[in-house]
Amino acid sequence: KNQVEQSPQSLIILEGKNCTLQCNYTVSPFSNLRWYKQDTGRGPVSLTIMTFSENTKSNGRYTATLDADTKQSSLHITASQLSDSASYICVVTILTGGGNKLTFGTGTQLKVEL
Amino acid sequence: NAGVTQTPKFRILKIGQSMTLQCAQDMNHNYMYWYRQDPGMGLKLIYYSVGAGITDKGEVPNGYNVSRSTTEDFPLRLELAAPSQTSVYFCASSLGTIQGKAAYEQYFGPGTRLTVT
Repeated sequence: KNQVEQSPQSLIILEGKNCTLQCNYTVSPFSNLRWYKQDTGRGPVSLTIMTFSENTKSNGRYTATLDADTKQSSLHITASQLSDSASYICVVTILTGGGNKLTFGTGTQLKVEL
Repeated sequence: NAGVTQTPKFRILKIGQSMTLQCAQDMNHNYMYWYRQDPGMGLKLIYYSVGAGITDKGEVPNGYNVSRSTTEDFPLRLELAAPSQTSVYFCASSLGTIQGKAAYEQYFGPGTRLTVT
């Protein structure tokens, strides 16, 4: 069964600190992996997209890594800010006859405190 | 561009009532999607469309219907609301599934929170 598992489920850090969120997947055949940020009461917003051949991608203070051999990805947040408080969702895409099929993780809920 | 817009933001329905969730995008995207997000769960695909006049079922289509008469609009219809349909509904769109990263990007609307009692 195609699955995407994220850890930790929730995380509290102090402002200015770094953190790393994990994503393990069993989805096959793999097309690409995305990280989304979802603020409370809002729709998900894309942070990074990585294809099979990419092993790192940055977007400002966000850096995603991908190891397609071990089927693991991580999202590293540097110098956290209060506005980083949100749910971070890992999404793995497979190519099917009907186009892209997205499998969503359940997300890591991050809270950044003063 | 307004991006992806959804109406209403909130709605409370009684069991057995029907309603239509509206979704529109102004980015001239070919692909549009409807997802539901239940507490503690990942988003699940309800229906999707690859272009005007073409729709197909996703993972959890039961109890829902869609239509795509124009490129811009993709309404989701609930005919006989049930408590199990209490959820947050997200509409999304993407340019398409051609090779190239821009085509992979899905843009989400702000969501509709639906409660069925």
